[in-house]
Amino acid sequence: QMTQSPSSVSASVGDRVTITCRASQGIRGWLAWYQQKPGKAPKLLIYGASILQSGVPSRFSGSGSGTDFTLTISSLQPEDFATYYCQQANSFPLTFGGGTKVEI
Amino acid sequence: EVQLVESGGGLVQPGGSLRLSCGASGFTFSSFWMHWVRQGPGKGLVWVSRISTDGSSARYADSVKGRFTISRDNAKNTLYLQMNSLRDEDTGVYYCTREGSGTYYNTLDYWGQGALVSVSS
Repeated sequence: QMTQSPSSVSASVGDRVTITCRASQGIRGWLAWYQQKPGKAPKLLIYGASILQSGVPSRFSGSGSGTDFTLTISSLQPEDFATYYCQQANSFPLTFGGGTKVEI
Repeated sequence: EVQLVESGGGLVQPGGSLRLSCGASGFTFSSFWMHWVRQGPGKGLVWVSRISTDGSSARYADSVKGRFTISRDNAKNTLYLQMNSLRDEDTGVYYCTREGSGTYYNTLDYWGQGALVSVSS
């Protein structure tokens, strides 16, 4: 089970935003982060806990291992308004966090 | 360019059946494990099923085990999800997704636009 916090955050352009994801048991570094905009499919941002997917801006970063992980947006941009999900890739069934809505 | 295009969604009564298809292009379909993920109205993402490259191995979420069947036709570059005994709680958008290779273990690097399934009487 994956628990994300906060469930929503309100921030301004230029702010640093941090989202936390906690696994109910250790998942080593097998964690991914996705961004979903309204009416669109999710998009992979980070995999292996900290590896930036090709084409994703460097203001996104991920860290953590074991049970505690974070996604950081270093300087929030208007296009970052979206919901963010973590997903454990360690074992089946694959599970997602409940999502964090980032409001500008 | 990688493309995944779902089709086959629609309105079905509880207890009914539906088959989703996902046409893949822009990559060597037979080399990648594939998954289905769904999202209920206003809700989060839920993993549904995964199939191996040759179709010999499949995994399912407990909520769909025994009712849904994932399959693929590598000659047609197409992924399927046969859904039987549908329930109200199966309503949502179903995404066809590709599992990346190597270090992308169980990570979904490309997603289709989604197919809407509505289960209602």
